[in-house]
Amino acid sequence: DAGVTQSPTHLIKTRGQQVTLRCSPKSGHDTVSWYQQALGQGPQFIFQYYEEEERQRGNFPDRFSGHQFPNYSSELNVNALLLGDSALYLCASSPAGRTVYEQYFGPGTRLTVT
Amino acid sequence: QKEVEQNSGPLSVPEGAIASLNCTYSDRGSQSFFWYRQYSGKSPELIMFIYSNGDKEDGRFTAQLNKASQYVSLLIRDSQPSDSATYLCALDNYGQNFVFGPGTRLSVLP
Repeated sequence: DAGVTQSPTHLIKTRGQQVTLRCSPKSGHDTVSWYQQALGQGPQFIFQYYEEEERQRGNFPDRFSGHQFPNYSSELNVNALLLGDSALYLCASSPAGRTVYEQYFGPGTRLTVT
Repeated sequence: QKEVEQNSGPLSVPEGAIASLNCTYSDRGSQSFFWYRQYSGKSPELIMFIYSNGDKEDGRFTAQLNKASQYVSLLIRDSQPSDSATYLCALDNYGQNFVFGPGTRLSVLP
């Protein structure tokens, strides 16, 4: 049973460029959340997708956008990259219909903006 | 704005001792709480969750929840050097997303 997978593992981009990160949820999970984790900090919630819709959004600018596909996989897009976007981007998946809302994280994508 | 606070550490304990990690939260309505372990350069790994007042034990780990005091803790018995990591406390924001604390760095000394 594969866990949450993310690609790519590492990415180096230049300021102003655009980037797309990908996530496949754990088998049986249909909800995907994205988090940004800066060095030395806890993960910060970006947004969550369920049934191909953005269900909830954190305090991130519109440069951050996403998508969920019918197979529940998801993409995170960041436009006009800033140096401050350098971070570990984490995808977490969870099953719907559970009393306790457990989230399981993928290995993350390390984004470096130069 | 929900907040989760943790002492950033580092918390140093000798091998075999009990490590006690603490977390406080601001929203009295929060229901479920989670502890994650994160090794350097890796993603967070779920250790356990708790949603009822009292203690919950899983192997060497015990989570404690006191909703009246808005306090959650994680005890690690018989600490091992392999337990050295950052421990993240998180609360479930009404099933929508998790709010994480900054994490406590634990160092278990051989």
